[in-house]
Amino acid sequence: KNEVEQSPQNLTAQEGEFITINCSYSVGISALHWLQQHPGGGIVSLFMLSSGKKKHGRLIATINIQEKHSSLHITASHPRDSAVYICAASAQDSNYQLIWGAGTKLIIKP
Amino acid sequence: DAGITQSPRHKVTETGTPVTLRCHQTENHRYMYWYRQDPGHGLRLIHYSYGVKDTDKGEVSDGYSVSRSKTEDFLLTLESATSSQTSVYFCAITKTYLNTGELFFGEGSRLTVL
Repeated sequence: KNEVEQSPQNLTAQEGEFITINCSYSVGISALHWLQQHPGGGIVSLFMLSSGKKKHGRLIATINIQEKHSSLHITASHPRDSAVYICAASAQDSNYQLIWGAGTKLIIKP
Repeated sequence: DAGITQSPRHKVTETGTPVTLRCHQTENHRYMYWYRQDPGHGLRLIHYSYGVKDTDKGEVSDGYSVSRSKTEDFLLTLESATSSQTSVYFCAITKTYLNTGELFFGEGSRLTVL
């Protein structure tokens, strides 16, 4: 079993829908990163959070340390949001290693 | 956007030849990382650096070496490339440790070993 699990693996939705991507982890962490990768493109950091909630434009990330769970939400989704979304956990016992989720491939149809 | 430049962006080489990938940053960030990304594996850490001349191995370091003689440059070398090293390589930087620092990535270098 992976230490960081994402769900769903694939998600197809219509433009305008509210999107939720989940990330669960089984190890103690000090922070969780959410990243975005467009097809054939580079990787962009969306959020780094260790508690509570962060918001940037239409993107919202939450984390519940007790439940070892984080979610990434996209409001009013748009076709340009189509990408792979990856969560990665910064483990408590390592300052340099991230434990990576497998990614969620999101397709938003117009 | 963070100033990270990877070179070359694309390279095709033959088995047994040496290859060096360069990561150059203009952010003066202390920490630099080399990852490889393969289908079905996600991102895997090859080597990282926590300062000039301070480097250490990641989870998939066999067949790779690194050097960091200046803050801004982190070189990844494949001494004798093999087909299993065909991959997309990403450089990343952080200002602080990963538990407090946002991660910034380069655009990636696609390496094909024939």
